Amino acid sequence: SSELTQDPAVSVALGQTVRITCQGDSLRSYYASWYQQKPGQAPVLVFYGKNNRPSVIPDRFSGSSSGNTASLTITGAQAEDEADYYCNSRDSSGDESVFGTGTKVTVL
Amino acid sequence: EVQLVESGGGLVQPGRSLRLSCAASGFIFDDYAMHWVRQAPGQGLEWVSSISWNSGSIGYADSVKGRFTISRDNAKNSLYLQMNSLRAEDAALYYCAKDMSGITFIFDNWGQGTLVTVSS
Repeated sequence: SSELTQDPAVSVALGQTVRITCQGDSLRSYYASWYQQKPGQAPVLVFYGKNNRPSVIPDRFSGSSSGNTASLTITGAQAEDEADYYCNSRDSSGDESVFGTGTKVTVL
Repeated sequence: EVQLVESGGGLVQPGRSLRLSCAASGFIFDDYAMHWVRQAPGQGLEWVSSISWNSGSIGYADSVKGRFTISRDNAKNSLYLQMNSLRAEDAALYYCAKDMSGITFIFDNWGQGTLVTVSS
């Protein structure tokens, strides 16, 4: 199986922009999806594919991809965006799924 | 509204078995692939297993292959995970997750999870 690596933690000032990255070989072939998880809650899909955001997710969440790196950007971070974020993609075989190591986002 | 409700978790001794269930509602269950994802206490998410709408395509993480079996009953709108030969490292919160379509591995709805504890 493949691995997806994320920075363990990032912080952002309220209203500023933060980018969360996810690196892995499988991202050269497959798009990532991104999940937000707040303490004690189930994960929530916030972005997927080339440029897709569920209708209930604010448009301050956006995604991009280049080479072996996928990114989730929060433009104008809000206090409620403080959470753990996980990327996910198919592994290199395409037959299995793999989650990233997770990034804790703190909004200052 | 999509609802996924897991059940069947609990305390089990190493080497024993447990069967998890996930009751689905609010969508046409047999139109979608389904998945199990787990999260050990204080740890990240780990994909466990997937099953296509008609059970024709099934996959497992290497960590559970040969011990866990995923299945579904479309008539009952239910997903299952039979877990055999449980190990301490299988202890986790097990989530049932709905796929966006076929097996895309995009999990657009999640249950609240059922907790599995493996201890003697």
